[in-house]
Amino acid sequence: GQQLNQSPQSMFIQEGEDVSMNCTSSSIFNTWLWYKQDPGEGPVLLIALYKAGELTSNGRLTAQFGITRKDSFLNISASIPSDVGIYFCAGRPTGGGNKLTFGTGTQLKVEL
Amino acid sequence: ETGVTQSPTHLIKTRGQQVTLRCSSQSGHNTVSWYQQALGQGPQFIFQYYREEENGRGNFPPRFSGLQFPNYSSELNVNALELDDSALYLCASSLDGGTQETQYFGPGTRLLVL
Repeated sequence: GQQLNQSPQSMFIQEGEDVSMNCTSSSIFNTWLWYKQDPGEGPVLLIALYKAGELTSNGRLTAQFGITRKDSFLNISASIPSDVGIYFCAGRPTGGGNKLTFGTGTQLKVEL
Repeated sequence: ETGVTQSPTHLIKTRGQQVTLRCSSQSGHNTVSWYQQALGQGPQFIFQYYREEENGRGNFPPRFSGLQFPNYSSELNVNALELDDSALYLCASSLDGGTQETQYFGPGTRLLVL
């Protein structure tokens, strides 16, 4: 099945650093979502974006819905050890109802 | 408020067998979606149930089937299991089937097919 292209695949950063990851699609999406998944758990929603150009923050997290509606990025500022995990972008394609299409994931590792 | 729960947490089956996975949706939610997450990949949409009716299906063969009950809990059934069916199966509930409704995920059932 289709998956969104997410990069980077993994990141190993120092505590306190800022992190950026992005997600691209070949088709237009009308919603972009960012989830975090910890080992042994299901994905947890971090940020939801519903309009092209929208920029939304949730604490240290900031995400944007690309103008072309084919991409989105997530920034994490001043990373801390509990930011470790796998981050997934997900989107709802136009005409796709409530079905979510997920990215391939970015694994974040934070060095103390 | 009770979150989404799934059972069992782990399961081992052999090729050709059948399996039933269960999901209890969050209180007040009438829509359940099922996803398959292979190791190292993102979840893939299997299907969604809204008020006991299938409301969308992904690219999965008919041996993947489901049910939703009047209390909005749900089952995923997989017949004639194949080795490639080994994965984490996630269910997610939402308030209704609307396209902007947030989906809340359960912890998943990890299925291993030998």
